This record gives sequence, structure tokens and C-alpha cells, in this order.
Amino acid sequence: GEDVEQSLFLSVREGDSSVINCTYTDSSSTYLYWYKQEPGAGLQLLTYIFSNMDMKQDQRLTVLLNKKDKHLSLRIADTQTGDSAIYFCAERRGNFNKFYFGSGTKLNVKP
Amino acid sequence: EPEVTQTPSHQVTQMGQEVILRCVPISNHLYFYWYRQILGQKVEFLVSFYNNEISEKSEIFDDQFSVERPDGSNFTLKIRSTKLEDSAMYFCATTSGTVTGELFFGEGSRLTVL
Repeated sequence: GEDVEQSLFLSVREGDSSVINCTYTDSSSTYLYWYKQEPGAGLQLLTYIFSNMDMKQDQRLTVLLNKKDKHLSLRIADTQTGDSAIYFCAERRGNFNKFYFGSGTKLNVKP
Repeated sequence: EPEVTQTPSHQVTQMGQEVILRCVPISNHLYFYWYRQILGQKVEFLVSFYNNEISEKSEIFDDQFSVERPDGSNFTLKIRSTKLEDSAMYFCATTSGTVTGELFFGEGSRLTVL
């Protein structure tokens, strides 16, 4: 199918690590992205990973990619209350940069 | 930092009315998109626009929808005769078309159809 799948909710305590998972659909997708959406706001690009990479680290964010299983994850270290938001994974397919988004994972960080 | 700007931020309209949503892309970007997010649902692709024409559109983008870039600056989405189910947040997004192809989104225009 064409759906990018994500779990809907994740709740963690402040200071813990958060891991948000995503399963994408097209093994030929070259780039995969993570976006963050705060309440009432647009989508903010957090990070991306090229499909020939297994891992990418950017400060508190670590992206892991398992191409064989078409599984992408975003790990947020030392999660803060300001990290509470909806996180979308997206894959880019096709010639005109068409993005397919997951349904989003709502991260709730408890103090 | 360059950004995509959208107007209006919120529009309330009566069913059957025409609505135009406007977007100013980042200046050196070449590919433009409209996405839609119905409350609580996923972000859905509507249409992509490159070289002054539609390059791809989804099933949602029926004859009631149109896009244009009339003055080389604003990129607009027009809904000719709005329906209740058009109520959503509409996001404009643009990219320069580089290899990494990051898509930059505007803050969105919330459309409420009564």
C-alpha cells in the first residue's frame, strides 16, 4: 500500500529518551524525513537521512534506518517538555519531490 | 532565515463560496506544493507545481481546485465552490529541488467552511 505508518501516541518523562518509529513503503525512496508540528503551527523540518545511511546523529536527535525492513526511527535524547509535539515521518518519492507523510506520533512529555 | 509565508492564517467562509489561499515561496525555490491536513488526520498531498504548470496532483485535487503563480511571486490555491469537507489546514511547501530536497512548509492557512 501507499501508507506510511506510525504509532499515534508516545508518553515519556522529562529527561528520558523518546523513540518514535515509522514504517515506510517504497524501498526506492532516496530520502526520509522527520518533521515536528507544534499545536497550531506548520511543519518544521527536524532532520533527514539518505537511504544509503544507517544512522544520522544531530545533537539530541538520532535517526536510525533499516532499509531491509523499511523502518525508520527517531530517538530524542534527554527529552524536554518543549519536545511535546506531533512528529511526522515522510518519504520522498517520484520525480517531483512528492512527499508521503505518516499520520504523526503525538509525543507527550511529562515533567 | 528564509521562510514560506501564507495568508490568510484563518479564513471562515460559507459553503459554495470561492476561496483563494496565498503563499510566498522562498525566493530561489523552484518546486511548489499544496498539502492539506484535516483536523487530527495525516498531511495529504494535493498538488505539485513546477515550471509554471502542475506536475502532479492527487485524487483530492478535483475540478474545484486550481493553482497558479500569476505574478511570479505568489503561489495561490483556489477552491471554486467550497464544501464542508474542505475545512482543513492548508499548507504551502516549497523546495529548491536540490538532491536532498528538503521541503519547507509555511505556517498554514486554516479554512473553515460553514
